[in-house]
Amino acid sequence: NAGVTQTPKFQVLKTGQSMTLQCAQDMNHEYMSWYRQDPGMGLRLIHYSVGAGITDQGEVPNGYNVSRSTTEDFPLRLLSAAPSQTSVYFCASTPGMGEQFFGPGTRLTVL
Amino acid sequence: ELKVEQNPLFLSMQEGKNYTIYCNYSTTSDRLYWYRQDPGKSLESLFVLLSNGAVKQEGRLMASLDTKARLSTLHITAAVHDLSATYFCAVDGRYTGNQFYFGTGTSLTVIP
Repeated sequence: NAGVTQTPKFQVLKTGQSMTLQCAQDMNHEYMSWYRQDPGMGLRLIHYSVGAGITDQGEVPNGYNVSRSTTEDFPLRLLSAAPSQTSVYFCASTPGMGEQFFGPGTRLTVL
Repeated sequence: ELKVEQNPLFLSMQEGKNYTIYCNYSTTSDRLYWYRQDPGKSLESLFVLLSNGAVKQEGRLMASLDTKARLSTLHITAAVHDLSATYFCAVDGRYTGNQFYFGTGTSLTVIP
C-alpha cells in the first residue's frame, strides 16, 4: 500500500491564484481530513469528510473548498490564494474511530 | 470547542535524563494519540491510548492516559539524541461532536 499520498510537495503561488492540493489514500478509510501547520500553532483542521459525498468544515475553513467524490480522493482547493495561506498542509486518513495516518505534506508559499 | 494544551512547548535536556511532557484537554474523550514529527517531515504515530488508565511503552517512551483528569503524559526515560523531535498529542473528540484536536507540540532537543 502507498498509504496517503499528496501532490505537489512544494508550490509557490502569487496572491489571487487558485490551485488544488491533491490527496489520495489506498487503505479504504472513510474518514479523511486536511490540516494546516503553522509555527507554534500545532495542526489546525481545515475540512474533513466522513465518507464519499460528505464533507464538513473544521476550525479554519475560510478560503478553502473540498469535495469527496470517491473514498480514495480528497482534494483541497484554494480559491484565491493569500499570503496568510502560506503554510504546510497535511492530509490524513483514518480507519473508523482509530488513529490518523498522515501524508508527506505540501509546502505552500503565497507571494 | 475542544482545547488541547501541551507543556512544555520547548524542552532541552541532557542525554540520560528523564522528563515528562503533559497534555491536558478540555472535554470528555477516552481516545488520545501521540505523534512524533522530525524537522521537515510528516507526523508519525507513536501511541494510541483508548481507555482510562491506558499505558503504552516503546523503548524509552511511555505514554499514559487519565480520562478523569483529562490528562495524558509522555515520559522520556534516559533520553538519547535520537529522541530529538517535536511531539504532539491529539485528542479524538468525535464522540462528543468535535473532531481531532492537536496540541501545539513540544519541541524536544536532547543534548549530548
